[in-house]
Amino acid sequence: EDKVVQSPLSLVVHEGDTVTLNCSYEVTNFRSLLWYKQEKKAPTFLFMLTSSGIEKKSGRLSSILDKKELFSILNITATQTGDSAVYLCAVEDSGNTPLVFGKGTRLSVIA
Amino acid sequence: NAGVTQTPKFQVLKTGQSMTLQCAQDMNHEYMSWYRQDPGMGLRLIHYSVGAGITDQGEVPNGYNVSRSTTEDFPLRLLSAAPSQTSVYFCASSLDSVYGYTFGSGTRLTVV
Repeated sequence: EDKVVQSPLSLVVHEGDTVTLNCSYEVTNFRSLLWYKQEKKAPTFLFMLTSSGIEKKSGRLSSILDKKELFSILNITATQTGDSAVYLCAVEDSGNTPLVFGKGTRLSVIA
Repeated sequence: NAGVTQTPKFQVLKTGQSMTLQCAQDMNHEYMSWYRQDPGMGLRLIHYSVGAGITDQGEVPNGYNVSRSTTEDFPLRLLSAAPSQTSVYFCASSLDSVYGYTFGSGTRLTVV
């Protein structure tokens, strides 16, 4: 059975801090790992990673995948209050199955 | 281009009632899924479809039915609502995961 574990489950930081969110996974036939940000409503897509060691970046957010150790990290530098959200990690099995999500990390950034 | 449209946004049901949550997408996506989200539980897969006429069960399918008669629509039916089905329901679709999955805005369902 596929499994995705995120840590920590919640985190409170001050504006300007750098945070690292973790995601470990077990899937039968790994195809991709995706990160989403969820504020009040629907999750919005951040990154998709398929290859080990290649960093994806978007502004202050970056993510990297380690397929040997079966984990990914999401880094956010110089955090802002607008980064407060639940960050979801999901993996896709190559067998035409949909995403399996972790429970998410709730990030709160305080001024 | 409306993306993924879910209706209704809010619903209150009495125990034992049935209802259908609607999901429609206009992006010609083959993959569609239904998830439920409960506090501290993340998103759990209910049912999914890889194309018209094809559906399969996810992690928590009991009490729900789906059908996929067209590419655009993927309704979720609650057969006999129970308080344990109180949740926020999300529909998602994808052409291919390389483009990410697009989520609807969700339906908040309360069963009393």
